[in-house]
Amino acid sequence: SQELEQSPQSLIVQEGKNLTINCTSSKTLYGLYWYKQKYGEGLIFLMMLQKGGEEKSHEKITAKLDEKKQQSSLHITASQPSHAGIYLCGADRGGSEKLVFGKGTKLTVNP
Amino acid sequence: EAGVAQSPRYKIIEKRQSVAFWCNPISGHATLYWYQQILGQGPKLLIQFQNNGVVDDSQLPKDRFSAERLKGVDSTLKIQPAKLEDSAVYLCASSPRRNRGGGYTFGSGTRLTVV
Repeated sequence: SQELEQSPQSLIVQEGKNLTINCTSSKTLYGLYWYKQKYGEGLIFLMMLQKGGEEKSHEKITAKLDEKKQQSSLHITASQPSHAGIYLCGADRGGSEKLVFGKGTKLTVNP
Repeated sequence: EAGVAQSPRYKIIEKRQSVAFWCNPISGHATLYWYQQILGQGPKLLIQFQNNGVVDDSQLPKDRFSAERLKGVDSTLKIQPAKLEDSAVYLCASSPRRNRGGGYTFGSGTRLTVV
């Protein structure tokens, strides 16, 4: 089974709507990374969370790591077409210094 | 600072041919990673280098894939012979030694199509 489960797998929203993407781990997360990817291209770093309860924001994107450090959510406020892409969560298991990824959430924002 | 450089950006080859990808990490980053991302899936780690030594290559199909990191800087990933299922985006990433939230920086990737 997948170590990191992302939901939903895909999401279509109207411009201006809010949305949330979830990332659930079967193991404790020591570091949780969110990346954005355009189809067939490299990963763009968004945010990294380490502490339970931590919340970070950048422009209209907010990410949270729950207290038990097994789930993270990414929230986009007032979505824009520029937010479209694939959102990936990656987990650092601690000590391994490498990331394992979820399958990604494909976001489409219609004008 | 310059990012992680990868080349080529795109490659189309026939099955059973060979192909090589190149990666230049961020200057000073000790750790280098190669990931394979098949369409619709998340990236999967193929190999991890610490300087010029291999830390983890447990998911590298060693019968056809090989990788090296010369002098602990640039790296090359080779596939020989290629199969149809190797069609994917190959991502290179680097991170500082003893990464403590410093982040993993990814290159733009090489999109490989095997026909």
